Amino acid sequence: SQQGEEDPQALSIQEGENATMNCSYKTSINNLQWYRQNSGRGLVHLILIRSNEREKHSGRLRVTLDTSKKSSSLLITASRAADTASYFCATVNTGANSKLTFGKGITLSVRP
Amino acid sequence: KAGVTQTPRYLIKTRGQQVTLSCSPISGHRSVSWYQQTPGQGLQFLFEYFSETQRNKGNFPGRFSGRQFSNSRSEMNVSTLELGDSALYLCASSFSALTSGSRRETQYFGPGTRLLVL
Repeated sequence: SQQGEEDPQALSIQEGENATMNCSYKTSINNLQWYRQNSGRGLVHLILIRSNEREKHSGRLRVTLDTSKKSSSLLITASRAADTASYFCATVNTGANSKLTFGKGITLSVRP
Repeated sequence: KAGVTQTPRYLIKTRGQQVTLSCSPISGHRSVSWYQQTPGQGLQFLFEYFSETQRNKGNFPGRFSGRQFSNSRSEMNVSTLELGDSALYLCASSFSALTSGSRRETQYFGPGTRLLVL
């Protein structure tokens, strides 16, 4: 079952524009992570934000977390054609039976 | 450091057969998790192993099993294959177990094994 639900499902932007992707989840989490996947290959970890953090930055990436709304957003600034990929949010739930639960993903297309 | 490696990369099997997939984690990593990715169901957690012990299991039938060796390498086995088992199987390793609070939980994924069941 999916925990994270990304929004939108697909996004097409022009190179140089910013891309904002949203993720909502349902249960209490230990942390939330964003991953990128290029065309059916393995996932690349982008950033992890813990439940007691509100914002993190990594290069052109900015992630926010609002635990009261159970939502997160990923902002990619100054997008490049190489950012074209599928992006997934994933949550690690609290409690003994921890696991990483992925959303269905967002397909981002950056037009050159 | 070398990344997570998975073998084989591609596999074709027929219904009823069994298959074993292998995952070698990043050196020093003790946690290995397995995921199944299909167009319909997306990415789904199969199980996590840490120090040779299964810590958690997803909602998959008993035909899916795994194990971890003392060198942290892990294998996943699927018995009595069904057409619906066709998928990309991904493994991921991390230094610490999920929710260990050690700040070293980041998972590093391998390239996956693409399994086709005919």
